[in-house]
Amino acid sequence: SQQGEEDPQALSIQEGENATMNCSYKTSINNLQWYRQNSGRGLVHLILIRSNEREKHSGRLRVTLDTSKKSSSLLITASRAADTASYFCATDASGTYKYIFGTGTRLKVLA
Amino acid sequence: NAGVTQTPKFQVLKTGQSMTLQCAQDMNHNSMYWYRQDPGMGLRLIYYSASEGTTDKGEVPNGYNVSRLNKREFSLRLESAAPSQTSVYFCASRAPGLAGGRGPQYFGPGTRLLVL
Repeated sequence: SQQGEEDPQALSIQEGENATMNCSYKTSINNLQWYRQNSGRGLVHLILIRSNEREKHSGRLRVTLDTSKKSSSLLITASRAADTASYFCATDASGTYKYIFGTGTRLKVLA
Repeated sequence: NAGVTQTPKFQVLKTGQSMTLQCAQDMNHNSMYWYRQDPGMGLRLIYYSASEGTTDKGEVPNGYNVSRLNKREFSLRLESAAPSQTSVYFCASRAPGLAGGRGPQYFGPGTRLLVL
């Protein structure tokens, strides 16, 4: 079964609002990554956070990682219509070369 | 620098036909991956190649074979296509991370496959 599970499955907000999505996983990880997928396109890497990091920022993105709870959150501040996409977390499980992707959060930002 | 390229973009097959999906990357990455994505689901790993000359099964390898032709190219073959293999297929390569760790994956645009 997939290790990463995103919550919520779908999110609809107004432009300018913040969007928060969460990811839970099951085993020890080396790092956790967030990706964006626009409709009909491939995934684009957004941000990577290592297991020894607790928070990371990149532009309007803020990612937190709580390894004790095996969870991560992605915050997009001041959302724009162009942020409309599906967002996936992926865990780099310790001891493997594999990445495990969650089922994604579909974000819709209304103009 | 094209990143990760995939061919074809679209394909329609009849049950029992075979085909090979091609993937190439020009970023000199060692590790490459094949995933499938089905509606409402995340990506599921089919096969991966940690380095040139090695391949390993992922979560859903049945019905597929792979070839790591060289460092640049990693192909996925369907020997006898089935309707259950209707999906979008993504190839990815992984960048090295800091201090020998693992970096992010870079994805191709995908191949949309319909098996009738």
